[in-house]
Amino acid sequence: DVKVTQSSRYLVKRTGEKVFLECVQDMDHENMFWYRQDPGLGLRLIYFSYDVKMKEKGDIPEGYSVSREKKERFSLILESASTNQTSMYLCASSLGWDEQFFGPGTRLTVL
Amino acid sequence: GESVGLHLPTLSVQEGDNSIINCAYSNSASDYFIWYKQESGKGPQFIIDIRSNMDKRQGQRVTVLLNKTVKHLSLQIAATQPGDSAVYFCAEEGYGNNRLAFGKGNQVVVIP
Repeated sequence: DVKVTQSSRYLVKRTGEKVFLECVQDMDHENMFWYRQDPGLGLRLIYFSYDVKMKEKGDIPEGYSVSREKKERFSLILESASTNQTSMYLCASSLGWDEQFFGPGTRLTVL
Repeated sequence: GESVGLHLPTLSVQEGDNSIINCAYSNSASDYFIWYKQESGKGPQFIIDIRSNMDKRQGQRVTVLLNKTVKHLSLQIAATQPGDSAVYFCAEEGYGNNRLAFGKGNQVVVIP
């Protein structure tokens, strides 16, 4: 059974903290994605990666960075968390030009 | 936290009836389309997909229709069940780079 896992389901951080969100997939997929999901705005792409050590900006990369040191792991980093980064964060992976498989999401609250 | 279903168009359907969820897409060059289902507190799950060389595809209790002339996609759910209550998203691929563009979603509420 294919699986995308995210390190936390719920996370509470303070403004200014550095936050790491981890995502792991066990399907040997080349492509991995980070989205945020907000009511009324749908899914918005933050960053994606085609391969190890490669990354591309999505539609809303400001305030975020990513790391892909291993094929199965894609990390999203908030260098200095702000309250407007309170959101649901979803990681996904795909083999190619096909469906993306999503993780369960991390609900991040920044106080 | 706020539900992903807030602020979305809502379709209320009686259990056992058929549901039709519509989606307008924007890119006439898009060649691959997906429907996802997202239940409360979970990540989106794949339901069914269709490529642009088809206009209809059927799965188990679901049918996707594609009308490229008017750039319209629909998802039909037969004999809707309480477990079908969720937010449904369409997504299109046609922007290159394996990227999907997602619609904002439709909330489906099944009335027992």
